[in-house]
Amino acid sequence: DIQMTQSPSTLSAFVGDRVTISCRASQSISSRLAWYQQKPGKAPKLLIYKVSSLESGVPSRFSGTGSGTEFTLTISGLQPDDFATYYCQQYNSYSTFGQGTKVEIK
Amino acid sequence: QLHLQESGPGLVKPSETLSLTCTVSGGSVISNGYYWGCVRQSPEKGLEWIATIYYSGSTYYNPSLKSRVTISVDTSKNQFSLKVNSVTATDTAVYYCARLSGGVTGAFDIWGQGTIVTVSS
Repeated sequence: DIQMTQSPSTLSAFVGDRVTISCRASQSISSRLAWYQQKPGKAPKLLIYKVSSLESGVPSRFSGTGSGTEFTLTISGLQPDDFATYYCQQYNSYSTFGQGTKVEIK
Repeated sequence: QLHLQESGPGLVKPSETLSLTCTVSGGSVISNGYYWGCVRQSPEKGLEWIATIYYSGSTYYNPSLKSRVTISVDTSKNQFSLKVNSVTATDTAVYYCARLSGGVTGAFDIWGQGTIVTVSS
């Protein structure tokens, strides 16, 4: 099993801040990494796939980088609508998700 | 616009079988290259991929659940279904249906709203 570890678990930030969320895989997953946003009571929403490809309709303030085992989601200029929980997912070997990072208002 | 809708029992007794149906609308389950999957979410385990299926009937299972899970597709009804046998309280979760983009292992680009399933006597 490939384990995905996100950090931090919780992040407090102001509107307008630049925030970064890290995701580490227990073994190399090539570029098979996606990021999701989830709000309470809703299904996850795909933001980024293949490490850095933005899903259609997702604002350009979201970006992803990384390779191998280390990946990062960056939100440049946090907006009120961005306060949510974010998950990474590897799909190189079956599929596993990180435990989530909750982005809270500071 | 493609839409997925889960339908499930809400409450299942321990040791019984959980049955979930995912109905696809605004598109076809026989879409070339797209696979269909089920994911569940609980406070204890977080997001957990359960199974994936192709319209041809090819199936893929999470090894940790494989012995208790069956996924199937009914192209005439534009649906796919999940069964989880011998459920326990640890199977209590929100169950989602989702479409995979990019092949059998891919990102989940379209999700249903989810259905809460509670295992309790």
